[in-house]
Order: sequence, then C-alpha cells, then structure tokens
Amino acid sequence: GAVVSQHPSWVICKSGTSVKIECRSLDFQATTMFWYRQFPKQSLMLMATSNEGSKATYEQGVEKDKFLINHASLTLSTLTVTSAHPEDSSFYICSARAAARAANSPLHFGNGTRLTVT
Amino acid sequence: QKEVEQDPGPLSVPEGAIVSLNCTYSNSAFQYFMWYRQYSRKGPELLMYTYSSGNKEDGRFTAQVDKSSKYISLFIRDSQPSDSATYLCAMSYLQGAQKLVFGQGTRLTINP
Repeated sequence: GAVVSQHPSWVICKSGTSVKIECRSLDFQATTMFWYRQFPKQSLMLMATSNEGSKATYEQGVEKDKFLINHASLTLSTLTVTSAHPEDSSFYICSARAAARAANSPLHFGNGTRLTVT
Repeated sequence: QKEVEQDPGPLSVPEGAIVSLNCTYSNSAFQYFMWYRQYSRKGPELLMYTYSSGNKEDGRFTAQVDKSSKYISLFIRDSQPSDSATYLCAMSYLQGAQKLVFGQGTRLTINP
C-alpha cells in the first residue's frame, strides 16, 4: 500500500519553456502532498505543501509564481516549473500521506522527476 | 548550524559487516524520527519510523533514538551489497505538521 507515482521520471526542456510534473497517490487519498527538491549529493529540501482544494503553502525562498502547484483532487497534485532556466535543473520529488491515517504517520515518496533545462 | 547533521560519507564496508549510521540534531522539540533509503535516481523509501526515545527493530535494521543526547542511529546487521544506497535521516517536530527535516544523507557501499 501507500504507493506514490510521479510522471515523468525524466524530462529535458529548453530554457524558457514550462514543464509539468504529476504526483499521484495510487491506492489512497491524500489531502496533502509535499514537493521536495534535491540537488546532487544533497538532501531533500521542502519547496511547498500542496493542499487539496486550496492554495499551496510555499517555503521561504521558493517563488510561488515560478513553481505553480495545483492539487485538484485527492489523488493528484501537479508542479509546473514555469519559464524554466538551467538553474532549475534538479531532482523533484513528491510525497504524500493517506488522508485516513494519523497526522503523524510517515510520508511515502514518489520516485522523483529529473529535470534538465538546456 | 543545520537543524539536522549527518555525515555524508562515503562509507564503504565489506559484506556481512555491521553498519552504523548516525544523525545529530539541535531542536529538542523533534519527536518523530525516520530513516529513509534512497537508491540512485529514485525517491526515498521509508525504512524505519520511531517516536521519542528508544529502540525499534525490523529484520536486519535497528533504529535508536536518544533524545537526551539529540542523537539517532540506524544499525544494519549482516549487510548486503543490495544495501548500498544513500541513507537519509528525517525528523519532524510538530505532530500533524507533516513537515520533515532531512539530514544530508550518508552514501553507503557494501563491498562483496
């Protein structure tokens, strides 16, 4: 159980274009999903908390107009990197917790999306 | 000072050895402690989840939390080459806040 799926797993785009990354909870409903960013050999840094039916909460230093988050259903959150630049190249990972489980139950992660902006 | 400190390694040990991975933290309010394993180009996989101080064992893995010292450990017994991965400690300090603070991760290689 608690499977989180991300798509695509790998994407290359040209500078100035936008890229959408999907995060789906396959076997449970998730009122909250989280988006992380990971640079090579570094840890995961929380970018934003995605709440179903409401606006996302962004961490300090994360541009909300650049990283658009939409959580339209209990099983899907999307992250759109707008006007991507080479410095946006990174590994983006989403996570989720089953809505029916306790708030302190652990998070489960997707397999990540490697974004390369040329 | 980072909230969570973890030696990035790399750590290389022979197959069958006991591996000890550690993290220290500065915020005494952390209550929930986790260890994740991450293979290259994959998302983190939850290994162990503990609350407050004490030990928890699951197969070859044992997690220890010492809140008085702000120190957590993960032990791997009878290590296997398939255990080669990056191990990340993570913790949260607000019940229900769901925000995790991660360590940098330790790259572990088990040599056959």
